Amino acid sequence: DTGVSQDPRHKITKRGQNVTFRCDPISEHNRLYWYRQTLGQGPEFLTYFQNEAQLEKSRLLSDRFSAERPKGSFSTLEIQRTEQGDSAMYLCASSLGTGGTETQYFGPGTRLLVL
Amino acid sequence: GEDVEQSLFLSVREGDSSVINCTYTDSSSTYLYWYKQEPGAGLQLLTYIFSNMDMKQDQRLTVLLNKKDKHLSLRIADTQTGDSAIYFCAESGRTTDSWGKFQFGAGTQVVVTP
Repeated sequence: DTGVSQDPRHKITKRGQNVTFRCDPISEHNRLYWYRQTLGQGPEFLTYFQNEAQLEKSRLLSDRFSAERPKGSFSTLEIQRTEQGDSAMYLCASSLGTGGTETQYFGPGTRLLVL
Repeated sequence: GEDVEQSLFLSVREGDSSVINCTYTDSSSTYLYWYKQEPGAGLQLLTYIFSNMDMKQDQRLTVLLNKKDKHLSLRIADTQTGDSAIYFCAESGRTTDSWGKFQFGAGTQVVVTP
């Protein structure tokens, strides 16, 4: 068990550019979640997958955001035409969806700064 | 999350007990969690409690749940400088709308002074 990993850990980009983040969940976990965390706030739910199916998207996830989990393993989160308001920490979590605790294990996050 | 509220700051002396409080609004919440976040890092799961329990102890950590008042607390005994971090309370429900979606509080910054 190597834990949840995210890449890159930091990203600085100019407004209007596209960025893509990757998340590798704990290997046997079938559920994967994306959250956004801004300074001084708790994580806010963006979307989640069960295997390769994207089951829910938050209203926070505008049309510029897209997430995929093509083979039910790793996931990518893409932000198109970035805006300064997109600057945040993007957290990925995974869980073993057994209908029990759904305890989510978090990765270290990708910190995005849009200039 | 606006549905989960926490006090923003707690200062405690090393060796004393810390108590972090949280209130939530979703009566369907089945599990309630405490996470710890150190600067620049992701969230580390500390403990969780099922809603039919009123207390859970795990080494230095004690979780108390008052389901009637929707109040959750985390007590850290013998607080150490390494406990300085932000602590998040989170709830998870079992309804179709809330399944798997954690609602987090804004976090409580705990500062441990020598």
